[in-house]
Amino acid sequence: GQQLNQSPQSMFIQEGEDVSMNCTSSSIFNTWLWYKQDPGEGPVLLIALYKAGELTSNGRLTAQFGITRKDSFLNISASIPSDVGIYFCAGLTGTASKLTFGTGTRLQVTL
Amino acid sequence: NAGVTQTPKFRILKIGQSMTLQCTQDMNHNYMYWYRQDPGMGLKLIYYSVGAGITDKGEVPNGYNVSRSTTEDFPLRLELAAPSQTSVYFCASSYSQAGTEAFFGQGTRLTVV
Repeated sequence: GQQLNQSPQSMFIQEGEDVSMNCTSSSIFNTWLWYKQDPGEGPVLLIALYKAGELTSNGRLTAQFGITRKDSFLNISASIPSDVGIYFCAGLTGTASKLTFGTGTRLQVTL
Repeated sequence: NAGVTQTPKFRILKIGQSMTLQCTQDMNHNYMYWYRQDPGMGLKLIYYSVGAGITDKGEVPNGYNVSRSTTEDFPLRLELAAPSQTSVYFCASSYSQAGTEAFFGQGTRLTVV
C-alpha cells in the first residue's frame, strides 16, 4: 500500500521557536492534509491543500503542496505550549474516499 | 453540536470475545470511516462507507465487519478478538467525496488480553 514518511519523528523546541516538518511519498497525491492530534483525542484538520505548488496559511501555520505532488511541508511560527501534540500528514488520491496517513511528528514545546 | 460520537471510550476484551464499537454522527454526512491507530503509528483505514447500505474494505479489514443501515450510524464489529486488535479505534465522517473535511470521534481504546 501507499506509505507516507514524516520527518522528524519527534521534536523538542522552546516556546517562540519556529517549527518545520515534512511528509514524503513514493506516490502522487491529489490532496494533502495536515491534522493535529491532542492526547486522548481524535485528529483535527488544520490545513487542506488541493493543487501542486499551493501555499496555504491558517494563523501561525503554513503548509505547502510540493510541486512533484509527492511531498508536503508544514511550518509553525512562534510556537506556543498549546502546539504540543502529534501532527499527521494525510494524502488523498484521485480514487477518493481513502486517506493515507503518515506516521506522525510528535511536537514538544518547553517554556 | 455533538459531531461524531464513539462508545465505549475504553474496553478490555478477552481473546475470542466479540464486541461492537458504536459510532454515530449528527452532521448528515454521507461518508463514514473506521481507522485504527497503533502506538507511534499513523491511522490505518479498516472500512469505509459512502452512504447508507454501502460499505467497502480499507487497508486492514481482516477480523472486522461493518454495517451502515442508517446515515447516522456506522458500527464496527469484532467477532473473535485477538491481541493484534489491541489499538485505538477512530470513527470519522465527512460530507464531501474527497473526504477532506473529515471529523473524527474521540476514539475507543481497546485492549485484548
